[in-house]
Amino acid sequence: AQKVTQAQTEISVVEKEDVTLDCVYETRDTTYYLFWYKQPPSGELVFLIRRNSFDEQNEISGRYSWNFQKSTSSFNFTITASQVVDSAVYFCAVSSGSARQLTFGSGTQLTVLP
Amino acid sequence: SQTIHQWPATLVQPVGSPLSLECTVEGTSNPNLYWYRQAAGRGLQLLFYSVGIGQISSEVPQNLSASRPQDRQFILSSKKLLLSDSGFYLCAWSGLAGEEDTQYFGPGTRLTVL
Repeated sequence: AQKVTQAQTEISVVEKEDVTLDCVYETRDTTYYLFWYKQPPSGELVFLIRRNSFDEQNEISGRYSWNFQKSTSSFNFTITASQVVDSAVYFCAVSSGSARQLTFGSGTQLTVLP
Repeated sequence: SQTIHQWPATLVQPVGSPLSLECTVEGTSNPNLYWYRQAAGRGLQLLFYSVGIGQISSEVPQNLSASRPQDRQFILSSKKLLLSDSGFYLCAWSGLAGEEDTQYFGPGTRLTVL
């Protein structure tokens, strides 16, 4: 069975600070995908990134960056120079199974204060 | 481009009443479809998934059922709602060429059972 742990329940930062959201996963599959989603107050889950298990190269997209370390089963997400609009709940997830079912972590509530 | 719709957006129902939530996807064919529930406290729980018309897999035994009468239509139902059925219901689809593992979510239905 898969499991995703997001140990940080809530994080609060001041605008322009950098913030890292932690994600630790467990899976028995040798091939899997990892994801981050953003859930703003409106409720809809917004896809941010997908990373496959064979690609440990870090990725940067604007102010967002992701650090995948297979040796520690971690897939951490960093927001640089945070903005108020980054306030949301962020979910990490791992996919598995023939239907690519997602197992989500419990989410991290990020609040960016002006 | 692909879009996913859910309705209704909000629903207040009495205990014991029936339920029907609908999800439709446009702009793709033969998608995998998923129903999730998010109760208070943020966790996302996979309820059902479908890899084709008439094919439904249940992840959690409960008071709910799902059906897929058409390729891009996914319906979540209940004959008699319980208080514990309250929550935010999210539909998702996957199957985009080259990104088969990525799930894209609809806007959700907020259900309150009184």
